[in-house]
Order: sequence, then C-alpha cells, then structure tokens
Amino acid sequence: GNSVTQMEGPVTLSEEAFLTINCTYTATGYPSLFWYVQYPGEGLQLLLKATKADDKGSNKGFEATYRKETTSFHLEKGSVQVSDSAVYFCALFSGSARQLTFGSGTQLTVLP
Amino acid sequence: EAQVTQNPRYLITVTGKKLTVTCSQNMNHEYMSWYRQDPGLGLRQIYYSMNVEVTDKGDVPEGYKVSRKEKRNFPLILESPSPNQTSLYFCASSRTRQETQYFGPGTRLLVL
Repeated sequence: GNSVTQMEGPVTLSEEAFLTINCTYTATGYPSLFWYVQYPGEGLQLLLKATKADDKGSNKGFEATYRKETTSFHLEKGSVQVSDSAVYFCALFSGSARQLTFGSGTQLTVLP
Repeated sequence: EAQVTQNPRYLITVTGKKLTVTCSQNMNHEYMSWYRQDPGLGLRQIYYSMNVEVTDKGDVPEGYKVSRKEKRNFPLILESPSPNQTSLYFCASSRTRQETQYFGPGTRLLVL
C-alpha cells in the first residue's frame, strides 16, 4: 500500500535559518504529492503540490521538488519566519488510491 | 467566503452517550471526508463520500457512522463513544477526490 514517511520533529530554528523537512514515499503508479500546513488551532491548508516527476511546487517562499528516482518530496525554505511556526504534513494521492495518505506531521517552531 | 465549518469545536462527553459532529461546506463540492488526527499518526481517514447518498469506509471506520443526505452536509455520528475515540477530528471537501481538499477547523473530542 501507499505510505509517507516524514522526518521526526519537533524542529526548532531561529528566524532567517534555512529549513528542510524530509519526506519520502512509497506508492504504486505515479502519485501526486502535497505539503499541507496546520497553523495552531486551525485546520490543514494546502501549501504546495506537484503532480509529476521533476515538478517543483512553490508557495510563500517554500519549495519542494518531486524526485521520482529517490521517491522524495522534501520541503525547503531559505529563510524562515516566526509566522511559519506550524505543523507540516507531507501527503500523496495515487490514481489507484481512494484517499490522501498523510505522513505523521512535523512540528516546526521558529524563534525570534 | 468558501469554507468548511464544523460544530462543535470542542466536546467533552462520557462513554456510551451518542453524539454527532456536523460538517458543512459551501463550495458545492462532491467529495467529502472525515479524518482523525492522533499524535505520531498523522491524519487517518474514517469515512468518505463521493456524492449524495454515496459513502464508503476509510482506514479507521469502526465505531463511526456517516450520512450524506444533502450535498453540503456530512455529519459524523458516534453511536456509543469510547475513550479510544478521544481525538481531533477534521472534515474536508473537494470538487473531486483527486483535487485539493479544503479542511474544516477541527473538533476536539474528549470521551471520559
């Protein structure tokens, strides 16, 4: 079956530091890949997505590249802000699946 | 404003007392879904609905029921709640199951 593995948290960074959150996946076929973000007390919202190999999703300074050869979709941001503090979820959807499959989430805290 | 609403946001109940969590979306989406979020496990799908009167089990359906009598509403019913159903619940909707899902703000349930 499909699965998503994210780096364990929590991750604590200082403002303006570089961020990487690792995500690898196992899936049949050619899945679409997503990063969702959950701010404190809120529901999840889509941060970015990529639908085929070598696509790069980007939004709000975050980027992730769909790497089929390494089955990865790592999230990066060059300079984090305090307002980026949230839980980040990697997820996939494949054509044969009925649902989104989520990773366990990574808590990010950015200190001023 | 396009949104998914859930009620109540917080609920404390006792074992065996039936409860319903409501979910409503105003985007005319066909696909709706319920998830539970537990520490270290990410989001797991409970039930989903492809359209009115069409529902199916997700990964963790035991102890839950749903109905889809109208396109906009997708209530989650716990007929006889137990402490292992203490969790954070999210409703989500999308135009189709492949497209980006929009999440409600969550319902935090405590079963004593």
